[in-house]
Amino acid sequence: QKEVEQNSGPLSVPEGAIASLNCTYSDRGSQSFFWYRQYSGKSPELIMFIYSNGDKEDGRFTAQLNKASQYVSLLIRDSQPSDSATYLCAVMGGKLIFGQGTTLQVKP
Amino acid sequence: GAVVSQHPSWVICKSGTSVKIECRSLDFQATTMFWYRQFPKQSLMLMATSNEGSKATYEQGVEKDKFLINHASLTLSTLTVTSAHPEDSSFYICSAPPRPGFDEQFFGPGTRLTVL
Repeated sequence: QKEVEQNSGPLSVPEGAIASLNCTYSDRGSQSFFWYRQYSGKSPELIMFIYSNGDKEDGRFTAQLNKASQYVSLLIRDSQPSDSATYLCAVMGGKLIFGQGTTLQVKP
Repeated sequence: GAVVSQHPSWVICKSGTSVKIECRSLDFQATTMFWYRQFPKQSLMLMATSNEGSKATYEQGVEKDKFLINHASLTLSTLTVTSAHPEDSSFYICSAPPRPGFDEQFFGPGTRLTVL
């Protein structure tokens, strides 16, 4: 069974700090990797996707992929209270499989 | 671009009734749409893949006679929960890739169903 694992948290960081969110996946054949942000009571919002090993940066967000270690991470620089949400890691392997999500709390 | 809408945003119904949820792609055509269900404090679980002009593909454990999916046009997919029961109360979310063959999926705002 294909799995995507995340630490449920909560991960608490002070405002302005770097938040680091991690995700591991079981299917070595996975090709596409996504990070979604979900606010309480809302649907997921796509914030980053990455297909190749290495880093991909978009504004304050950096996604990192290491296929050999089957590991994906998301760094949020200069964290803001508005970044407080649940972050879902999703892996495409025939279908989109979601992790349980990590709750991030950014404290002013 | 790639805006997905859902209607209604929330619905409350009595046990035994049927509820229809619409999912529309507003600025693109979606040959494929996906339906997810999310229970409180849990992650999204794929229920079915909706294909325009053909039968939906259901995930293991999802009753196709209970969750009827119709993808009648390139911009509309509907999910009908038939004879709803309290255990069907959940957050139902549809998604679609912005173009055929793309892995990215954009999600609709979701429909919160409460069955009394």
